[in-house]
Amino acid sequence: EAEVAQSPRYKITEKSQAVAFWCDPISGHATLYWYRQILGQGPELLVQFQDESVVDDSQLPKDRFSAERLKGVDSTLKIQPAELGDSAMYLCASSLSPGGSSNEQFFGPGTRLTVL
Amino acid sequence: GDSVTQMEGPVTLSEEAFLTINCTYTATGYPSLFWYVQYPGEGLQLLLKATKADDKGSNKGFEATYRKETTSFHLEKGSVQVSDSAVYFCALSDHGNNRLAFGKGNQVVVIP
Repeated sequence: EAEVAQSPRYKITEKSQAVAFWCDPISGHATLYWYRQILGQGPELLVQFQDESVVDDSQLPKDRFSAERLKGVDSTLKIQPAELGDSAMYLCASSLSPGGSSNEQFFGPGTRLTVL
Repeated sequence: GDSVTQMEGPVTLSEEAFLTINCTYTATGYPSLFWYVQYPGEGLQLLLKATKADDKGSNKGFEATYRKETTSFHLEKGSVQVSDSAVYFCALSDHGNNRLAFGKGNQVVVIP
């Protein structure tokens, strides 16, 4: 069964360091999402890609966060510099298309980030 | 903006008990509604969904009905099992950009 892959699963870093997370969506899925899930809360969308283009990054803290999906397949989310408040689970999801009947989002296992 | 509210606090119940998790929403349009489940150490899995008023989503013995008049999408299961222990999230998306807005989630613990 096709799955969304993420790595690493766990990351511990010190504040002010740079961190990067990788996501490989299900093959053929044009839409890719990055969510942040703070402990005890629901996921919040950070950025949405349609192929290689960003379609929504309104909730992405652009002073320290960046995301790219250069070839419209896998994606990288970077934080530089990391802050204590960035400790959270970072979830990647993908869907065939952004809307309509093929809009179900499939989630990866997430990367749990701890900033010390 | 669009938002989802779930009842506060974890839910602890005995095996074979009846489960209800309340979910209400606020939206400007006519969103699709979802329940996701997150088992320990895993990502979110879609449990069920409903795309229009009065639709009933169902899966694995869980049900939820899209109630436009009460803006609700409560999750129910008649007889829970220990394996149902997980965190359950209610969510909505509008039909334009497919952006999901999640509730805070409810931890469900089923005791044998």
